[in-house]
Amino acid sequence: DGGITQSPKYLFRKEGQNVTLSCEQNLNHDAMYWYRQDPGQGLRLIYYSQIVNDFQKGDIAEGYSVSREKKESFPLTVTSAQKNPTAFYLCATKPTAGNEKLFFGSGTQLSVL
Amino acid sequence: RKEVEQDPGPFNVPEGATVAFNCTYSNSASQSFFWYRQDCRKEPKLLMSVYSSGNEDGRFTAQLNRASQYISLLIRDSKLSDSATYLCVVNLAALSASKIIFGSGTRLSIRP
Repeated sequence: DGGITQSPKYLFRKEGQNVTLSCEQNLNHDAMYWYRQDPGQGLRLIYYSQIVNDFQKGDIAEGYSVSREKKESFPLTVTSAQKNPTAFYLCATKPTAGNEKLFFGSGTQLSVL
Repeated sequence: RKEVEQDPGPFNVPEGATVAFNCTYSNSASQSFFWYRQDCRKEPKLLMSVYSSGNEDGRFTAQLNRASQYISLLIRDSKLSDSATYLCVVNLAALSASKIIFGSGTRLSIRP
């Protein structure tokens, strides 16, 4: 969807390194989400944020961290504590009220070397 | 128990067939429900919202049964272009945040 930029599209990480995935939006949406998708699987919720300076753990938050210092940005850091980080990562946004539709970025494929 | 469960399939049906998917959810406080479609290695796209009264959009019909905590999607007169993974989505709205959970997806393949 237009208005959500995830970068980079492909990212490689050495074992033991932290890496940060970027998600920027210009839709003025309050809520932002990070999901992880493994091959043949659905999306699993990592973290989500309803407003600036506030975020909650999803179902698989261990080994990940986030920040929400600005409304437009919700970066995800994959730490060395995440033992199996290879996956497709999707960022999504949603207006606070009314329209329930999620708007997705095009995703980042993270691979461990 | 998973919060949202779907039959993973794959469903392999001939063009023109009618196919139905079900999805169950565990949290009775769930507020809203959706079906998304995902093509390989792409971001999911909203197919339709699901309302208590049931709703239809062309060849697609969605139903919600709150008492039994399941939602369904019916595709009539299936087309080759319907081949994709269909994701059931539940919004567990809470006081301070809106937790949105995806099912694991049902793969559909339409053959000529």
